[in-house]
Amino acid sequence: NAGVTQTPKFQVLKTGQSMTLQCAQDMNHEYMSWYRQDPGMGLRLIHYSVGAGITDQGEVPNGYNVSRSTTEDFPLRLLSAAPSQTSVYFCASSLRLAATSTDTQYFGPGTRLTVL
Amino acid sequence: AQSVTQLDSHVSVSEGTPVLLRCNYSSSYSPSLFWYVQHPNKGLQLLLKYTSAATLVKGINGFEAEFKKSETSFHLTKPSAHMSDAAEYFCVVRGGSQGNLIFGKGTKLSVKP
Repeated sequence: NAGVTQTPKFQVLKTGQSMTLQCAQDMNHEYMSWYRQDPGMGLRLIHYSVGAGITDQGEVPNGYNVSRSTTEDFPLRLLSAAPSQTSVYFCASSLRLAATSTDTQYFGPGTRLTVL
Repeated sequence: AQSVTQLDSHVSVSEGTPVLLRCNYSSSYSPSLFWYVQHPNKGLQLLLKYTSAATLVKGINGFEAEFKKSETSFHLTKPSAHMSDAAEYFCVVRGGSQGNLIFGKGTKLSVKP
């Protein structure tokens, strides 16, 4: 199993450019999510999905779009990049999402994005 | 609503001395709690998780955490720090109506030789 993979590892964008961060998992997990990590802020949830065709917003969704056409893939789109979106982005997956679940959430290696 | 508070943003210890990273949680029901570790420029790795089977949870690399309901705490400990333990540690709780993970702001652990 490759686990959770993310591409690219690094990206530099100019303000206003768009791009897609890729995320894939090969564990047949229902739940996938995207977080951003900023210094002193921990990880904050951007969007998540509980299955193909189902997505929902997290804590900080503005400026980002997601879709889930397959169980394996969960791309994150930046529509018009802004310097405030400079961050490290992590994709994660787990078997399911439930309020009392103890399922382990597995994280990808991250994408370091800089917006100039 | 569920939340976690990591009481120290930075902890510094000497190699071979005990480690204590403090975490308090808030939850309206029996929580699912986790500790994750992030080494510099790396992804996040699960250290341990509380599943309600036992209040003392053992994790990888000699770490353990004790769930104390009366104190709403889930502190992470290790008897003897190693240089390789230098990393950032996140206390995490499942929260919200659907159970997404809610992260603390992190505690950076430094280990001095």
